[in-house]
Amino acid sequence: AQTVTQSQPEMSVQEAETVTLSCTYDTSESDYYLFWYKQPPSRQMILVIRQEAYKQQNATENRFSVNFQKAAKSFSLKISDSQLGDAAMYFCAYRSQFRKLIFGTGTRLQVFP
Amino acid sequence: GAGVSQSPSNKVTEKGKDVELRCDPISGHTALYWYRQSLGQGLEFLIYFQGNSAPDKSGLPSDRFSAERTGGSVSTLTIQRTQQEDSAVYLCASSLAGLQDVFGPGTRLTVL
Repeated sequence: AQTVTQSQPEMSVQEAETVTLSCTYDTSESDYYLFWYKQPPSRQMILVIRQEAYKQQNATENRFSVNFQKAAKSFSLKISDSQLGDAAMYFCAYRSQFRKLIFGTGTRLQVFP
Repeated sequence: GAGVSQSPSNKVTEKGKDVELRCDPISGHTALYWYRQSLGQGLEFLIYFQGNSAPDKSGLPSDRFSAERTGGSVSTLTIQRTQQEDSAVYLCASSLAGLQDVFGPGTRLTVL
């Protein structure tokens, strides 16, 4: 069975600085998708970024980028130029073909002015 | 509407009562998922509907939990004889091709 591990329960960053959130996963599959979701206090899960396992190029979305290491089964999220609005829970998630998302336990990110 | 909606937003019930939680997915989305998020925890998969296929019920924690999806659209999650450990936020998500799930705001269930 696939598992997702987020080893950092909490992280903090100064506004305008860069922070990296870690995620590792375990799978025997070769074709899958990885996601980072943001959950603010409103509880709404918001997709931050998606990575297809068959793509070697790391995904980027504005200030958000990932470091995808398929052999190491690592999928970290880098947030550049952190903003106060980035404060939230961040969940790493795994999905094989069109099936359920498997989530990590989350990392709470605090952003200090 | 443009997003996934869930109702009620909050539900308080007494132990032993039955509850129904509703999810209205985005029109045209063929896939619908239910997840449970207990306090301070990640999301736990409950059930998955895809088109007319038989649902994947592998995540339902007990036979007190059931769900249906009528007409390929609205879904209802039913919890019978609620227990205190059922207290959680129940999240619904829908997607068109399984690549970008859109989540609803969730229903916070409190069992007294």
